[in-house]
Order: sequence, then structure tokens, then C-alpha cells
Amino acid sequence: GAVVSQHPSWVICKSGTSVKIECRSLDFQATTMFWYRQFPKQSLMLMATSNEGSKATYEQGVEKDKFLINHASLTLSTLTVTSAHPEDSSFYICSATIPGQGNEKLFFGSGTQLSVL
Amino acid sequence: AQSVAQPEDQVNVAEGNPLTVKCTYSVSGNPYLFWYVQYPNRGLQFLLKYITGDNLVKGSYGFEAEFNKSQTSFHLKKPSALVSDSALYFCAVSLDNTDKLIFGTGTRLQVFP
Repeated sequence: GAVVSQHPSWVICKSGTSVKIECRSLDFQATTMFWYRQFPKQSLMLMATSNEGSKATYEQGVEKDKFLINHASLTLSTLTVTSAHPEDSSFYICSATIPGQGNEKLFFGSGTQLSVL
Repeated sequence: AQSVAQPEDQVNVAEGNPLTVKCTYSVSGNPYLFWYVQYPNRGLQFLLKYITGDNLVKGSYGFEAEFNKSQTSFHLKKPSALVSDSALYFCAVSLDNTDKLIFGTGTRLQVFP
């Protein structure tokens, strides 16, 4: 089946630094990717929709200047957490969909655990 | 606004017994409903979906879910639980089969031998 690769799987950084997380669709082209944040008590929150070649669409309450999303190619979307703070520590998950095939064809990366010291 | 509620943080069941993981939803139109499963250190995997038609939907690994419009519920069920079913289960809703998904808070299923 289709594979979405997310890298890194785990990152620790100092407060104030920026961290980039990559999401790649390995065997299909994804015009749309989604970024989620998973909180410790399990809730999975949609942060933004990443569209290839255009600006990302952010959900209400998500700071677009804080969480920079770039979808420069059909197989790669990146999420950059800028000037990270301890409250940004969380589990970030991306997903990609095969165009026109519905949400059952939504494939998820294995996630990135971000810890900000 | 769309929303999904999973009232149970955790469900415990003995192997071989039936299991139910609850989900209720709130949407302004006709819902598209989904169940996903997350195994440890793995990405979410699609289990099943309801779009229209038969209220009982069958999915992967022997799971099924029943759409109940009057109760706005979409509970996940399995007649006989396996230890390997232990995982985190997410209910999700969208207004379109290709629209963004809104997830519930997840329910951890623990199946004991």
C-alpha cells in the first residue's frame, strides 16, 4: 500500500530554536497533505491543510507564523516550528491523500515527537 | 461546526468477548464517518467508513460500525476481541469524502488474555 514517511521520528531542541519536520509520500503524488498535533491525552487536532504550490490553510487558533508549512513538490510537505517553546512539545503527525480517492485513501506518517527544553 | 466525541478514554475487554467503542458526532449536513486505528509507533490506519446506504458497515480486521442517525452515533464493534486489537482508536467525521477530517479524542482499547 501507499506509504507516507515522516522524519525525524523524534527530536529534542532548545527553546528558541526552529525545528523542521518532513512528510513525504513515497509512492504516490499528494496534492494535499494534512498536519495534525496529538496531545498527551490523545486528542488529534488538525493544524493545517497543505496544498502543493499554494499557501497552506490553517485551522482557527493555529499561528501560521509559528508553524510554517511548505508544500513545494507533490511528494514533500514540511512543517517548521519556529522559535520553539516548551509548550510546543507534542506529537506531530502528517497525512497525505491520493487525489480523488476519498478519505479511506488517507495515509498517515508515523509521527514526530518534539520535545522543547 | 463539525465535532466528534468519544466518551471513553479507555475500554477494557477480555479476549473473546464482544467489544464496543463509542462515538457520537455533530455536523450540519450529511456526515461522512470514519474509524482509524493507531498501533504503537505506527501511523493511523483506515478501518472503515460510512457514507450512505446500509447502516451497518464492515471493515478491516473483523470490525464493523453501526450508523444511527437518530442518536448521531457511529459505534465501533467487534464480536470477538483479540489481544492484537489493543490499540488507540479514533472516530472521525467530514462533510465530504475528500474533505479534511475532524477526529475525536481517541479511545484506548485494551484486550486482556
